[in-house]
Amino acid sequence: GQQVMQIPQYQHVQEGEDFTTYCNSSTTLSNIQWYKQRPGGHPVFLIQLVKSGEVKKQKRLTFQFGEAKKNSSLHITATQTTDVGTYFCAGTVTGGGNKLTFGTGTQLKVEL
Amino acid sequence: DGGITQSPKYLFRKEGQNVTLSCEQNLNHDAMYWYRQDPGQGLRLIYYSQIVNDFQKGDIAEGYSVSREKKESFPLTVTSAQKNPTAFYLCASSNRGGGNIQYFGAGTRLSVL
Repeated sequence: GQQVMQIPQYQHVQEGEDFTTYCNSSTTLSNIQWYKQRPGGHPVFLIQLVKSGEVKKQKRLTFQFGEAKKNSSLHITATQTTDVGTYFCAGTVTGGGNKLTFGTGTQLKVEL
Repeated sequence: DGGITQSPKYLFRKEGQNVTLSCEQNLNHDAMYWYRQDPGQGLRLIYYSQIVNDFQKGDIAEGYSVSREKKESFPLTVTSAQKNPTAFYLCASSNRGGGNIQYFGAGTRLSVL
């Protein structure tokens, strides 16, 4: 079945450092979404990318969708303690209806 | 206040017992989902429903059952056949025309006594 892997699994950074998580799918995706889950909380939608090669920015966060629509990345510039949490990508397979396949997640810890 | 409500927040199951987790949404969404999350891991799909009175198995449906008798409600039963039920259970919903963006409830933590 379809698999979506994320690397790294964990990342510790000092506040102010940059952070990147990478998402790779075994199959072509019709779209990719990113969610953030704070410790003890539930996933919250951040953004959706649909077009091949698409890049979107939200303040310090930059999201990219690969040209082949099989990979994606999330980059955070100058991390802050409020960025702590687990970041998940989630993809919809073309023709797969409403079913999302979530990545394994990257847990980000930010130290002062 | 619109959203998804899961209850209870914490649940304890005895050996051989079936337990039911509640999920209610007032977002008028067509599709609803149940995920299981184990510590430090991602979300795995248990069951999903795209319309009332219809549902499909996800990747880890064994030991679980669901019903979708009303648009607003999608309860999940963890049966005694599920031998390792301890996990964080998340319910979500999405709208057909909304690009399948999923909105999550606060979750239920299930433990075995």
